[in-house]
Amino acid sequence: NAGVTQTPKFQVLKTGQSMTLQCAQDMNHEYMSWYRQDPGMGLRLIHYSVGAGITDQGEVPNGYNVSRSTTEDFPLRLLSAAPSQTSVYFCASSYSGSDSYEQYFGPGTRLTVT
Amino acid sequence: LAKTTQPISMDSYEGQEVNITCSHNNIATNDYITWYQQFPSQGPRFIIQGYKTKVTNEVASLFIPADRKSSTLSLPRVSLSDTAVYYCLVGDKRYSSASKIIFGSGTRLSIRP
Repeated sequence: NAGVTQTPKFQVLKTGQSMTLQCAQDMNHEYMSWYRQDPGMGLRLIHYSVGAGITDQGEVPNGYNVSRSTTEDFPLRLLSAAPSQTSVYFCASSYSGSDSYEQYFGPGTRLTVT
Repeated sequence: LAKTTQPISMDSYEGQEVNITCSHNNIATNDYITWYQQFPSQGPRFIIQGYKTKVTNEVASLFIPADRKSSTLSLPRVSLSDTAVYYCLVGDKRYSSASKIIFGSGTRLSIRP
């Protein structure tokens, strides 16, 4: 299994540009989430999904859109990039059918907005 | 929201036992306590979870007192490779509470030779 994969690993955007961060998992996990991590800080939840077709907002959803058309994929769209969105973005997935709270994280996408 | 409070940083030496305490005074009945480890430039990695009393796995132990208002992650005989940021999370994985699992700033653990 590849686990959770994210592309791209690095991205530089100009203010106002849009882009989509890709996330995929091959573990058949129902739950998927997007986090952002600013330098020296903890992770903040942007959006999450509990299954295909179901998404909801986390702590910091403004400026981001998500959709979940398949179990495997959970892309994050930046609508109009701003310097405040410069961060490292992590995607995570977890299985809802057990008592484990273990989330599996991807390697991250480092985004810089100039 | 069950907010957690951890020390910002801790230092220790190789071979020592390290205990990191997390305070979560507002923990709810259905909340579990979970600890993650994060190395630089990597995503967090699950270490251990528990609900009450003591849980032990091959990596760490988790001690939770009866009132569940705090928890202690214990790392036995640490090595240089245990240098990382450790996060204490409190939350309920059910759908209605999925957005309430907060990572916080974590504890930066530095191990010296």
